[in-house]
Amino acid sequence: GAVVSQHPSRVICKSGTSVKIECRSLDFQATTMFWYRQFPKQSLMLMATSNEGSKATYEQGVEKDKFLINHASLTLSTLTVTSAHPEDSSFYICSASDTSVYGYTFGSGTRLTVV
Amino acid sequence: GQQLNQSPQSMFIQEGEDVSMNCTSSSIFNTWLWYKQDPGEGPVLLIALYKAGELTSNGRLTAQFGITRKDSFLNISASIPSDVGIYFCAGRSGGNSGYALNFGKGTSLLVTP
Repeated sequence: GAVVSQHPSRVICKSGTSVKIECRSLDFQATTMFWYRQFPKQSLMLMATSNEGSKATYEQGVEKDKFLINHASLTLSTLTVTSAHPEDSSFYICSASDTSVYGYTFGSGTRLTVV
Repeated sequence: GQQLNQSPQSMFIQEGEDVSMNCTSSSIFNTWLWYKQDPGEGPVLLIALYKAGELTSNGRLTAQFGITRKDSFLNISASIPSDVGIYFCAGRSGGNSGYALNFGKGTSLLVTP
């Protein structure tokens, strides 16, 4: 079945630094990738939708200059959290879809801790 | 995105019992999906539903796409300890895979041996 690989699984960074999270579709081409954020004991909140080769569409309230998304190929999307602050600490999850995948496949998530 | 109403919020049951949870929405969805999430992991797809009235099973799991297209339920029969986790419903209003999912708030399931 479809597999989405997300790295790193955990990252701790200092306040003010930037962190890049990668999301790869391993056995299918992902025309669209989604980035979610999840706080403890809460649901997944969509941050942005990215289509290969075009600019990402951000949800209301998500700062596009802070959360940079790049979807340069059909198998790779990256989320960069710039100038991270402690309030950016969260669980970030990507998901990918293409026309042949009837469900949305999720990555295993990245636990970001900003200290 | 739109938040779905998922209930119950949590369930604490004994092994062997059946479980039922449901989701409702104020808008129509074209697709309903049910996911399970273990701590520190991404959600894993359990069942996908694409047609109103559709009833689909996956082992001990059964889910239905409501006739009104505004609701769905998930049943788990004869629960076992490894069923523990958080179950999320998700709906998609768009007609293709370019549309994001809207998620319910989750049902936390605890199963005691």
